Amino acid sequence: EAGVTQFPSHSVIEKGQTVTLRCDPISGHDNLYWYRRVMGKEIKFLLHFVKESKQDESGMPNNRFLAERTGGTYSTLKVQPAELEDSGVYFCASSHTYPGYGTDTQYFGPGTRLTVL
Amino acid sequence: KNEVEQSPQNLTAQEGEFITINCSYSVGISALHWLQQHPGGGIVSLFMLSSGKKKHGRLIATINIQEKHSSLHITASHPRDSAVYICAFDSGAGSYQLTFGKGTKLSVIP
Repeated sequence: EAGVTQFPSHSVIEKGQTVTLRCDPISGHDNLYWYRRVMGKEIKFLLHFVKESKQDESGMPNNRFLAERTGGTYSTLKVQPAELEDSGVYFCASSHTYPGYGTDTQYFGPGTRLTVL
Repeated sequence: KNEVEQSPQNLTAQEGEFITINCSYSVGISALHWLQQHPGGGIVSLFMLSSGKKKHGRLIATINIQEKHSSLHITASHPRDSAVYICAFDSGAGSYQLTFGKGTKLSVIP
């Protein structure tokens, strides 16, 4: 079974540019999460999709961040325009939901390291 | 103050030593997660537990719900155990998003 994949693995852009990160979850996982680790800080939650719907986007820092999940499959996270403080590692995770039980273990992708210059 | 506090932040051990990493949290949770991240590597889930104790190979995770405390133990540590160990919880409030600690960097010396 293929794991969670993320693309690109690294991205270096200039302030003001746009970047789109992609996450492909494990097939069949309804839940897809985006997290971010900024240098020296703990990993923080950004948002959660259940299938194609946003279940919780309370962690999105501002309206420069836009996430979508097409048809409940892969997800993209667009940052436009990028600012210096957006630099960090963006992780995606997916999990299965068991009705009446809750969600299962979250499986993480390798992350995308974003550097904004 | 972070909702998840881990200690120690850094830990250096000799191969073969018994290792304990501690995690305290300040809110009600649905499940406590222990994760591992090797240098340059992705994040791997080690344990998800809501009570008692779980064991996988040389790794043991325990949780005390009343005291809001969890520990991760590594028996007979090995250099390949060198990694960052991260404690996180989900509150189960619909989203199951994880709230993370800052991690404990473990180095096991041969």
